[in-house]
Amino acid sequence: DSGVTQTPKHLITATGQRVTLRCSPRSGDLSVYWYQQSLDQGLQFLIQYYNGEERAKGNILERFSAQQFPDLHSELNLSSLELGDSALYFCASSPYLRGDDTEAFFGQGTRLTVV
Amino acid sequence: QQPVQSPQAVILREGEDAVINCSSSKALYSVHWYRQKHGEAPVFLMILLKGGEQKGHEKISASFNEKKQQSSLYLTASQLSYSGTYFCGTPRLHNNAGNMLTFGGGTRLMVKP
Repeated sequence: DSGVTQTPKHLITATGQRVTLRCSPRSGDLSVYWYQQSLDQGLQFLIQYYNGEERAKGNILERFSAQQFPDLHSELNLSSLELGDSALYFCASSPYLRGDDTEAFFGQGTRLTVV
Repeated sequence: QQPVQSPQAVILREGEDAVINCSSSKALYSVHWYRQKHGEAPVFLMILLKGGEQKGHEKISASFNEKKQQSSLYLTASQLSYSGTYFCGTPRLHNNAGNMLTFGGGTRLMVKP
């Protein structure tokens, strides 16, 4: 158990809908990262939040947004969903802003299926 | 830009060795290695830092050539539990001081009895 909790584990929704994925980082971790993993593909970095502020952004679609709350949990909002958005969405956390010499701890992921 | 991993897939018998390579077109401060079982979360293996420092939890060896911007993961005397997809990650500092840990496409390793 990494200590990172993601909910829900599975989500099935229709095209055009909006969903919210939730992540609770490990106790004490201030950085939260979101990744998208499409079927049998690599991990695509979406966005990083640190202590409530957006700090790094990858190739995240404009239809996607995220935020980190004062209690440090984070939510990833996906709107106007398309079939191609079906993927595993992972959240990871680490203690520091940079984290280039620190391991990240991954949650179990949310499997999103858009039908 | 994401790092490039090779090979894309490896099939081994128990006890055999394998090497997984990771290269980057950009200068590296560190290289991170993770292993992912199918449908599960990636699990940290090790970090290799400039200057030779390594941080890791498992008895896996790796190298980091800063000049060549390459890293290699050495899996010796492989066990069935080594099966999974291995990802290397290279951190890239963002303008806003954040950190994009960008992963390669992965190397699928299957160890057979």
